[in-house]
Amino acid sequence: GDSVTQTEGPVTVSESESLIINCTYSATSIAYPNLFWYVRYPGEGLQLLLKVITAGQKGSSRGFEATYNKETTSFHLQKASVQESDSAVYYCALGPSGGNYKPTFGKGTSLVVHP
Amino acid sequence: DMKVTQMPRYLIKRMGENVLLECGQDMSHETMYWYRQDPGLGLQLIYISYDVDSNSEGDIPKGYRVSRKKREHFSLILDSAKTNQTSVYFCASSLSRANSGNTLYFGEGSRLIVV
Repeated sequence: GDSVTQTEGPVTVSESESLIINCTYSATSIAYPNLFWYVRYPGEGLQLLLKVITAGQKGSSRGFEATYNKETTSFHLQKASVQESDSAVYYCALGPSGGNYKPTFGKGTSLVVHP
Repeated sequence: DMKVTQMPRYLIKRMGENVLLECGQDMSHETMYWYRQDPGLGLQLIYISYDVDSNSEGDIPKGYRVSRKKREHFSLILDSAKTNQTSVYFCASSLSRANSGNTLYFGEGSRLIVV
């Protein structure tokens, strides 16, 4: 089946430092899955951070970027300078696919940004 | 308003009691989901609903059942709750299964404690 592996947390960084959260995937039900990053802020539900549906393209939002690399089956999340408000749990995901239309989520990476 | 609403947000039940978690969405989305999230395990899919009275088991359906009698409303039922069902439950919706690039919209979660 499909799977997503992402950086195990918690990841702790200081404000203004750079960040990378790794995400690699294995997709057996679809050749080129749609790729997503969702974020869950404390006390809230998950919300879309960014998505890319075309291999080779880059998505960006709120200063975060991720590039869909089909050669390495990766979709790493990066930010040049994090802020304390970026503290949250980040989830890499494959779009729903297969006969039963199931999304596939990674386990989530908790990010803690210290002031 | 593009919102997924879960009720109740917090619930404490005794072992053996029945539990009803309710989810509503105002986007006329066809597809709805129930997940649970536990520390270190990420999101685990319990059930998917493709439309009214069209439901499919997810990865961990045992001990749960669902009901969808209206497109905008999706219920999760625990008959005779167990302590290992203590968790945070998330409902989500997406436009349809016709497009795997559709974003999932999540509720804020329902925290269930079974004692």
